[in-house]
Amino acid sequence: DQQVKQNSPSLSVQEGRISILNCDYTNSMFDYFLWYKKYPAEGPTFLISISSIKDKNEDGRFTVFLNKSAKHLSLHIVPSQPGDSAVYFCAATEEMNTGFQKLVFGTGTRLLVSP
Amino acid sequence: EAGVVQSPRYKIIEKKQPVAFWCNPISGHNTLYWYRQNLGQGPELLIRYENEEAVDDSQLPKDRFSAERLKGVDSTLKIQPAELGDSAVYLCASTVTYDSYNEQFFGPGTRLTVL
Repeated sequence: DQQVKQNSPSLSVQEGRISILNCDYTNSMFDYFLWYKKYPAEGPTFLISISSIKDKNEDGRFTVFLNKSAKHLSLHIVPSQPGDSAVYFCAATEEMNTGFQKLVFGTGTRLLVSP
Repeated sequence: EAGVVQSPRYKIIEKKQPVAFWCNPISGHNTLYWYRQNLGQGPELLIRYENEEAVDDSQLPKDRFSAERLKGVDSTLKIQPAELGDSAVYLCASTVTYDSYNEQFFGPGTRLTVL
């Protein structure tokens, strides 16, 4: 059962425009939500996160919005640049019995920003 | 500062053969993770180490998979014998704990193809 879902496998945006990547989740006990970016032949790299008690977090061109009632979060990239072209994974932390925060990943959205 | 190092980067083997992957985490990171990423999916946790102790291996298929982290630094993940369904990217990550969530740093992965 996929607890973190990214229903759009791909997204194409023109340079300078806004990119909006969406993520839905089912587990209301998730504590933190994170976005990772992955280039081909590289491992995922952390991009931005948000606590479940917040509704917005901004870092430069990247903003993450969290709507807990809808169990939905989104990543906004403004303005989009060709170097942003990558696969973006939404992830959430689930606290296990041991206190360990397990990362649960979505299936990823491939973003292509064209010049 | 060097990132997480993994080798080999690519491995092609025939089914029923053994295979091993190696990971060197970021210096000072005592938590190490092995993930498996199937094609079109997000990474899924296989095993987590705190120093040399495997503290979460519930997702590791123990009939054919094994892992070790001697001396609490480098780690190896082994599959014996490999099956066709084991074809995937195997990612290693290490952690520094920040606030209440783990910012995980990923290596580039080992892409395994089982023929």
